[in-house]
Amino acid sequence: NAGVTQTPKFRILKIGQSMTLQCTQDMNHNYMYWYRQDPGMGLKLIYYSVGAGITDKGEVPNGYNVSRSTTEDFPLRLELAAPSQTSVYFCASRSHQETYQPQHFGDGTRLSIL
Amino acid sequence: KQEVTQIPAALSVPEGENLVLNCSFTDSAIYNLQWFRQDPGKGLTSLLLIQSSQREQTSGRLNASLDKSSGRSTLYIAASQPGDSATYLCAPGGSEKLVFGKGTKLTVNP
Repeated sequence: NAGVTQTPKFRILKIGQSMTLQCTQDMNHNYMYWYRQDPGMGLKLIYYSVGAGITDKGEVPNGYNVSRSTTEDFPLRLELAAPSQTSVYFCASRSHQETYQPQHFGDGTRLSIL
Repeated sequence: KQEVTQIPAALSVPEGENLVLNCSFTDSAIYNLQWFRQDPGKGLTSLLLIQSSQREQTSGRLNASLDKSSGRSTLYIAASQPGDSATYLCAPGGSEKLVFGKGTKLTVNP
């Protein structure tokens, strides 16, 4: 059982370039999330999705875009990369049941923008 | 807006000690609270989830309590081991989203 898989694990971008961070889960979870974590800080929510075709902004959505065409995949797009987007990005998912279920995390994508 | 504070920011203890990590939050209207562990260079692993109707949860040597009215949660680790060394994050949540604290970095010395 792979759980939540993120690719790539590491990436260096130049200012102004764009890229897509991939996230896929094989647990048939409805909810998926994208977070960023800066050094010494907690996680901040970028975007989330409650199901295929539905996305919503989190706390820090500027400079990012998402789509959710399938239950399994939730890619995060960076357009016109800026140094402020240097961070570690985590994708997470959880099941939607009567009682709240824990979030499961991927191992992260470490992104540097130079 | 939910604000989450974790105290202490870092903690170093000798092996075998019992210890308590603290988490406080400003908005008591939460659905649940999760405690996570993060190892260096890794993602987060869920340790315990307390539903809003519960007061505590236990898993092995870990016990987490929740006092919604006072906006506090504690994570108790019994008989700490070097393998417990990690950063522990607290995250109170609404129906859809979690808000994370900055974490407590724990070092357990052999």
